[in-house]
Amino acid sequence: QVTLRESGPALVKPTQTLTLTCTCSGFSLNSDGMCMNWIRQPPGKALEWLARIDWDDAKFYSPSLKTRLTISKDTSKNQVVLTMTNMDPVDTATYYCARIVRGMTISYFDSWGQGALVTVSS
Amino acid sequence: QSALTQPASVSGSPGQSITISCTGTSSDVGNYKLVSWYQQHPGKAPKVIIYEDNKRPSGISTRFSGSKSGNTASLTISGLQAADEADYYCCSYAGSREFVFGGGTKVTVL
Repeated sequence: QVTLRESGPALVKPTQTLTLTCTCSGFSLNSDGMCMNWIRQPPGKALEWLARIDWDDAKFYSPSLKTRLTISKDTSKNQVVLTMTNMDPVDTATYYCARIVRGMTISYFDSWGQGALVTVSS
Repeated sequence: QSALTQPASVSGSPGQSITISCTGTSSDVGNYKLVSWYQQHPGKAPKVIIYEDNKRPSGISTRFSGSKSGNTASLTISGLQAADEADYYCCSYAGSREFVFGGGTKVTVL
């Protein structure tokens, strides 16, 4: 059974750096085709894709947030980590990690975590 | 402002069919057979119901179907049920932009 669980601070101050961890179970991040993503959703608003890291350590970022994001993985712990610098109140959102299993193409998010609500406020 | 355009809301009576549109461009929806649709109930994570334009994952009801014409994808829910009341998001692979989402559509069962 695949499970994803996000963890991190519920509250950060403006200008601080956010670090979120996604702990994965039921599969290995090193397995061929495993692509892990971070997606966020401000309260009452739409989903926004942020970043992706693949089984071969390839990394991809949202063009609009690229300068603020870093995605990495710790295969010994089967965890994916997202850092976002210079946090602002507009970054208040629920942050989800989600998996893609890449076959012939990069396709769809088949598993999601429950989400972690992060509020940015002084 | 989301990259893909969806109607803010769609409603229908139980048993009816409704269709949600998702309009993108030739750089995303129109360029790849990689539109997916997600259902999200309040306070829950999204759940995939359609992928690669018109495929259903195992366990998803046949009442959900997807199609595409040019730069516009569509999700049809037939035999509308109370449990279908949720937010629905389209998503498309977009090459260098990776993935783009629609603004979401709230489905109300009257």
